[in-house]
Amino acid sequence: DAKTTQPNSMESNEEEPVHLPCNHSTISGTDYIHWYRQLPSQGPEYVIHGLTSNVNNRMASLAIAEDRKSSTLILHRATLRDAAVYYCILRGSSGGSNYKLTFGKGTLLTVNP
Amino acid sequence: DAGVIQSPRHEVTEMGQEVTLRCKPISGHNSLFWYRQTMMRGLELLIYFNNNVPIDDSGMPEDRFSAKMPNASFSTLKIQPSEPRDSAVYFCASSLNGELTGETQYFGPGTRLLVL
Repeated sequence: DAKTTQPNSMESNEEEPVHLPCNHSTISGTDYIHWYRQLPSQGPEYVIHGLTSNVNNRMASLAIAEDRKSSTLILHRATLRDAAVYYCILRGSSGGSNYKLTFGKGTLLTVNP
Repeated sequence: DAGVIQSPRHEVTEMGQEVTLRCKPISGHNSLFWYRQTMMRGLELLIYFNNNVPIDDSGMPEDRFSAKMPNASFSTLKIQPSEPRDSAVYFCASSLNGELTGETQYFGPGTRLLVL
């Protein structure tokens, strides 16, 4: 599986934007970039995903580098409820295991009031 | 929609006992996943069902673990006999079509298992 690298932790202030980086230099052409988050004592929750173009939804934006070797999850205005572990995951259609989400350690986001 | 439903939410048992975890996926979803989360190993996939058929059980730790999906609305994960090292949070997830790389997986709240 292609791997991702994320910072172990990041800190933000409430109502400020947050940029969570993810490096995936070995990404293949058919790999989707997925972001999930896990709030304390809850199951993981889907945030956003993309392939090549930048993506926006009600929760966040995903900016994908032109060479696709890195991406950034953007929370436009962090709230205390955004404090969670954020996972950047590559999900590919090669190798027959396209159903698989392989979770790394993720980035623990702390939001200060 | 109620989302993915798991029961029990918490389970405390003694070593050697049988443990059964239950999952009801979101109606209409044809893919179901069981994950385990520990501090040491993080979140790992145990088994994946598609249309009630086990497709990938390579993550099942050993023969003490078994999973079934008798119909589209119910799955069980059984540990017999349980051991202290099985203590973890077990998550069930479902997806409309797990084979599509852009498809979302929806996770349940998890079952927190403690084996004494």
